[in-house]
Amino acid sequence: DSGVTQTPKHLITATGQRVTLRCSPRSGDLSVYWYQQSLDQGLQFLIQYYNGEERAKGNILERFSAQQFPDLHSELNLSSLELGDSALYFCASSVTEWGGGYTFGSGTRLTVV
Amino acid sequence: GNSVTQMEGPVTLSEEAFLTINCTYTATGYPSLFWYVQYPGEGLQLLLKATKADDKGSNKGFEATYRKETTSFHLEKGSVQVSDSAVYFCALSMNAGNNRKLIWGLGTSLAVNP
Repeated sequence: DSGVTQTPKHLITATGQRVTLRCSPRSGDLSVYWYQQSLDQGLQFLIQYYNGEERAKGNILERFSAQQFPDLHSELNLSSLELGDSALYFCASSVTEWGGGYTFGSGTRLTVV
Repeated sequence: GNSVTQMEGPVTLSEEAFLTINCTYTATGYPSLFWYVQYPGEGLQLLLKATKADDKGSNKGFEATYRKETTSFHLEKGSVQVSDSAVYFCALSMNAGNNRKLIWGLGTSLAVNP
């Protein structure tokens, strides 16, 4: 157990739907990062939050949004889902606002049918 | 911009063989370098890191040396085991400035046969 908790582990939904992925960071970590991992795109950074504020944005679609709450957990919202959104979505956390040494969760596997 | 290039996989080795996975980087400035490992069905785990030139990171028999002159951070292990079968990611992070997020390589899949 890495200390980063992601729920749900698996999600199957239909095109056009909206889902919410949840991440609880490791105790004491203030930064949360969201990544998408697919076979054709590899590991793609989506967005980072630090202590409730957005810090960096990567290749995140406009249909996707995220936030970090006062208790530091984070949610990634995916809407108007398309088949191509099927992927593994990872959350990672770190103590500092930047840099490596992340701790990753075990991911949410999203399948859009 | 900053980037990481890894050798393409898959890499297939027999148990006890020597492993090298090449990683080179491009960066304006002085990054920290990382290797992460992803075992089947799991998230990524930090394997080792080096924060300045000539540093050697090591963990679980794996080593990588930060070579500024060749902008490389190749991952090596003297004798691989079946349990080392995984995907290995090289990454960098800048140590200063406003954009310090990790920059990832595409990953190299390693399969070790008994």
